Amino acid sequence: EAGVVQSPRYKIIEKKQPVAFWCNPISGHNTLYWYRQNLGQGPELLIRYENEEAVDDSQLPKDRFSAERLKGVDSTLKIQPAELGDSAVYLCASSLDTGNTEAFFGQGTRLTVV
Amino acid sequence: SQKIEQNSEALNIQEGKTATLTCNYTNYSPAYLQWYRQDPGRGPVFLLLIRENEKEKRKERLKVTFDTTLKQSLFHITASQPADSATYLCALTLYNFNKFYFGSGTKLNVKP
Repeated sequence: EAGVVQSPRYKIIEKKQPVAFWCNPISGHNTLYWYRQNLGQGPELLIRYENEEAVDDSQLPKDRFSAERLKGVDSTLKIQPAELGDSAVYLCASSLDTGNTEAFFGQGTRLTVV
Repeated sequence: SQKIEQNSEALNIQEGKTATLTCNYTNYSPAYLQWYRQDPGRGPVFLLLIRENEKEKRKERLKVTFDTTLKQSLFHITASQPADSATYLCALTLYNFNKFYFGSGTKLNVKP
């Protein structure tokens, strides 16, 4: 069975440009997470979905970040406009539910804003 | 403020020895705690989960302890191998399950 799939793996953009990341979670997983990981740090939660509903987006910078999860399956995370400080690895993860179950992570998208 | 602390300095040990990694937290009341392994350029991979009412959990060469009085979890790898070299992250989930916090991780280097 395929794991969590993210694309692209790498993205380099100029500041003020838009960028989008895509995630396909493991089939049947209701919960989807987007994390941001800076170098040498642990992942920080940006947004959590239960099916198609965003149930925790308190850490999402809503002035420039947006996310959606169509039909409760795939998800996209968008940044517009990107800033230099947005350079990081963006990780998508999924789990069966938000209870005491493990999260499965994708390989991440490394974003570099120049 | 709430904090999860893992030793930011790399842990260097000799092959065959036991590696012990520490996760300390303040101002949380976690329902459970998880340990993940992360290799360079990859996403974290789940290793073990321990609930707040459990003292110890084992899986093959891995052992996790959870002391809610000390607010600390210890992660042990026995008979360590060079292939165990990676960054290890602890993550806390609170009782209402809507917050999932990671520590910054500790890099383990196992030398042959």
